[in-house]
Amino acid sequence: KNEVEQSPQNLTAQEGEFITINCSYSVGISALHWLQQHPGGGIVSLFMLSSGKKKHGRLIATINIQEKHSSLHITASHPRDSAVYICAVRDQGGSEKLVFGKGTKLTVNP
Amino acid sequence: IAGITQAPTSQILAAGRRMTLRCTQDMRHNAMYWYRQDLGLGLRLIHYSNTAGTTGKGEVPDGYSVSRANTDDFPLTLASAVPSQTSVYFCASSRFGTGSNTGELFFGEGSRLTVL
Repeated sequence: KNEVEQSPQNLTAQEGEFITINCSYSVGISALHWLQQHPGGGIVSLFMLSSGKKKHGRLIATINIQEKHSSLHITASHPRDSAVYICAVRDQGGSEKLVFGKGTKLTVNP
Repeated sequence: IAGITQAPTSQILAAGRRMTLRCTQDMRHNAMYWYRQDLGLGLRLIHYSNTAGTTGKGEVPDGYSVSRANTDDFPLTLASAVPSQTSVYFCASSRFGTGSNTGELFFGEGSRLTVL
């Protein structure tokens, strides 16, 4: 069974700090997703990646396939970045089913 | 309609009642999913559909049924609701297959369901 572990579970930072959220998984995957969920809100896809690194604004996502590990970085964090960040993986079996981590709750204080 | 739409946004219903959560997307995505989100458990897949006319069971399918009569619609039905089905339900869609534009997930805004 593919397990997805995120760390930390909760993270509090001061505005401007560099943030790193980690995701580890246990089996071979075809893709990894990073999602963002604001309090009481919907879920938005931030990145989908299968290798290397992607950047969008202040957000950077990296993945190391050999180590079965991905990181989400936020540079110059802002209170509006406060949200739950969720990692999800699609296994190599070709199934469209995803396995989700339990999320990392980020709070950025002004 | 732009993207993926769920209805209702929230609902309170008595145990034993039948309930259908609606989900519609206008992106012509072939794959659609229903998830439930519960505190401490994260998102769990209930049912999915890779293309119109086919459906499959996810991690927690008991007590739920789905249909996929066409590409756009993917309703989730609770035949006889129970309190343990109190949750937030999210519908999602993606383009299934190969290629650079496949796989990105789009979520609805969620449906908060309370079963008393």
